[in-house]
Amino acid sequence: KNQVEQSPQSLIILEGKNCTLQCNYTVSPFSNLRWYKQDTGRGPVSLTIMTFSENTKSNGRYTATLDADTKQSSLHITASQLSDSASYICVVSGWMDSSYKLIFGSGTRLLVRP
Amino acid sequence: ETGVTQTPRHLVMGMTNKKSLKCEQHLGHNAMYWYKQSAKKPLELMFVYSLEERVENNSVPSRFSPECPNSSHLFLHLHTLQPEDSALYLCASSQVAFSGNTIYFGEGSWLTVV
Repeated sequence: KNQVEQSPQSLIILEGKNCTLQCNYTVSPFSNLRWYKQDTGRGPVSLTIMTFSENTKSNGRYTATLDADTKQSSLHITASQLSDSASYICVVSGWMDSSYKLIFGSGTRLLVRP
Repeated sequence: ETGVTQTPRHLVMGMTNKKSLKCEQHLGHNAMYWYKQSAKKPLELMFVYSLEERVENNSVPSRFSPECPNSSHLFLHLHTLQPEDSALYLCASSQVAFSGNTIYFGEGSWLTVV
């Protein structure tokens, strides 16, 4: 079964600290991996997108890494801010059962405290 | 402003009501999607439209009826819903369906069925 597992489910950190969110997937064959940020009550917003040939992609204080061999990705947030409090969703896509599918993780809820 | 606008943002309806969710994208995209997001669950793809033609219907109950009059507008008609249908309904668009293009989400419509 194609799955995307994220950890931890939730995380609390102090403002200014760094944190790393994990995404493990079993989707195969793999096409690309996206990280989205979803503020409470809002729609998800794309942070990064990586193909299997990319190892890292940055977007400001957000850096995503991808290891296609171990099927793992991480999202590192540097110098966290209160506005980083949100859910972070890992999405893996590929051609499965003759159709193109996006498999969503359940997300990691991050709370940044002052 | 993500370029995908959803109305209403909040909707409370009885199980015998008929209501509709509306989505409009201002990005010139050819594909539009409806997703359902329940608490602590991954996003579930409901419908995909490409150039106004429905290309995927993920075993969604017939009480949800999509309509795509043109490539910029998408509706989700609701009738005789159940309380378990209460969720955040997200509309999204991308340049092309079933591709590596970034998917842009709207802010969502919070639906409560009483």
